Amino acid sequence: AQRVTQPEKLLSVFKGAPVELKCNYSYSGSPELFWYVQYSRQRLQLLLRHISRESIKGFTADLNKGETSFHLKKPFAQEEDSAMYYCALSGPSYGQNFVFGPGTRLSVLP
Amino acid sequence: ETGVTQSPTHLIKTRGQQVTLRCSSQSGHNTVSWYQQALGQGPQFIFQYYREEENGRGNFPPRFSGLQFPNYSSELNVNALELDDSALYLCASSLGGALTEAFFGQGTRLTVV
Repeated sequence: AQRVTQPEKLLSVFKGAPVELKCNYSYSGSPELFWYVQYSRQRLQLLLRHISRESIKGFTADLNKGETSFHLKKPFAQEEDSAMYYCALSGPSYGQNFVFGPGTRLSVLP
Repeated sequence: ETGVTQSPTHLIKTRGQQVTLRCSSQSGHNTVSWYQQALGQGPQFIFQYYREEENGRGNFPPRFSGLQFPNYSSELNVNALELDDSALYLCASSLGGALTEAFFGQGTRLTVV
């Protein structure tokens, strides 16, 4: 069965500290992995996807198929990074049906 | 270019009633997906419509049904409402295809009493 787990409900770090939001998945096949973010009073929006291998707002995520993980990292957290982060996977079929994790709330303290 | 809009933003219904939620997809997008997000949880996939046909369904009972119109807007209908149906309902539109970005609406908060 497809499943995404995010072990931390809440993660608090100080401004300038490194951040790692954990995500593990189970999927039989080759999934597409994504991170979505929801800032306060805003809609859910795409942060990054593994296939693009890009860095958005200083965040990166590496797909580790051996550990079935897709952790989100940023070397120096900023206060504006405070938000709800959701890891999601999608199968390679036509259309995007996401399986979302429960989310991690990141709080960056001044 | 307009974004994804959902209506209404909030509503309250009584157990056993029926509800219709609406979604206008982003301009040019032919695929709409619906998600249910219970408090403290991530969104759960309900179903997807592509060019007016259902194109995938999650683990939801048949009393959750949908429709997509020729202009690609969509409706989510829920019959015989239960208290556990209280949640935020999200609509997402995309061009379809596994690598295209999905854009989410702001959601409809449904409360069943």
